Amino acid sequence: ETGVTQTPRHLVMGMTNKKSLKCEQHLGHNAMYWYKQSAKKPLELMFVYNFKEQTENNSVPSRFSPECPNSSHLFLHLHTLQPEDSALYLCASSQETGGFYEQYFGPGTRLTVT
Amino acid sequence: AQKVTQAQTEISVVEKEDVTLDCVYETRDTTYYLFWYKQPPSGELVFLIRRNSFDEQNEISGRYSWNFQKSTSSFNFTITASQVVDSAVYFCALSDFTQGGSEKLVFGKGMKLTVNP
Repeated sequence: ETGVTQTPRHLVMGMTNKKSLKCEQHLGHNAMYWYKQSAKKPLELMFVYNFKEQTENNSVPSRFSPECPNSSHLFLHLHTLQPEDSALYLCASSQETGGFYEQYFGPGTRLTVT
Repeated sequence: AQKVTQAQTEISVVEKEDVTLDCVYETRDTTYYLFWYKQPPSGELVFLIRRNSFDEQNEISGRYSWNFQKSTSSFNFTITASQVVDSAVYFCALSDFTQGGSEKLVFGKGMKLTVNP
C-alpha cells in the first residue's frame, strides 16, 4: 500500500454539485494537509490538521469544508464551487507539524468545475 | 515575508548532461528548513532532501547533489548525468510559521525539467 492515497484521481463536477475528496495515509503520521495546485501558481496550503485538530485555515472560502475524523483520514467536502476552483488538490501528511518533518504527498485529485 | 524564488521555469537538456536548478530564499528566521521535492507526471510530490539552516555542508546522493550557501540565501540542486526519468517539475520549499502557529512549507513556483533521449 502506498503511503498516501487519494480518491478519486479525477473529478468533474458542476457548480451546483456536492462532492468529497478523500485522503488516507498509511504512515502513522499525526499531521495532514490539503494543498491546491493551480496552473502557473505556487502550491497553496489550504488546511492543516494536527492530531485531528484543525490548526490552520489559510483563508479558504467556505465552499471548501475539511473533515479529519482520525489521524489517518482527511476529507475535503466541496459545494457550489466556481470554475476557478479547478485545480489539482494534493493531500500530504507528516509525523507532526513543524519544519523538521518532511511531508509525504498523495497523487492528487484533478478537479474540473464546469 | 518568507519567499522562495526559482527563477528558471523550464529547462530542457539531453540525456547525460548535468543540470543545476537554482533556488533563492528569503526568511526572517534564524532557524529554518529547506526542502526539494520532485513532481513527476503522475502528480505526487516526492520528497528529495531536507536541510536545516545550521548545516551548510553540501550533500550528495547518487547523481543528486545540493549546494546550500547561507551567504547568498541559495539552495541549489544539481543532477549529474541526467536521465529521462529525471523529467519532472522540481520544487524548492522553505519552512515558515502560519498565523495559527503551526509550521508550513512555502513553495517556489517550480521548475520543469525535460530530459530528452
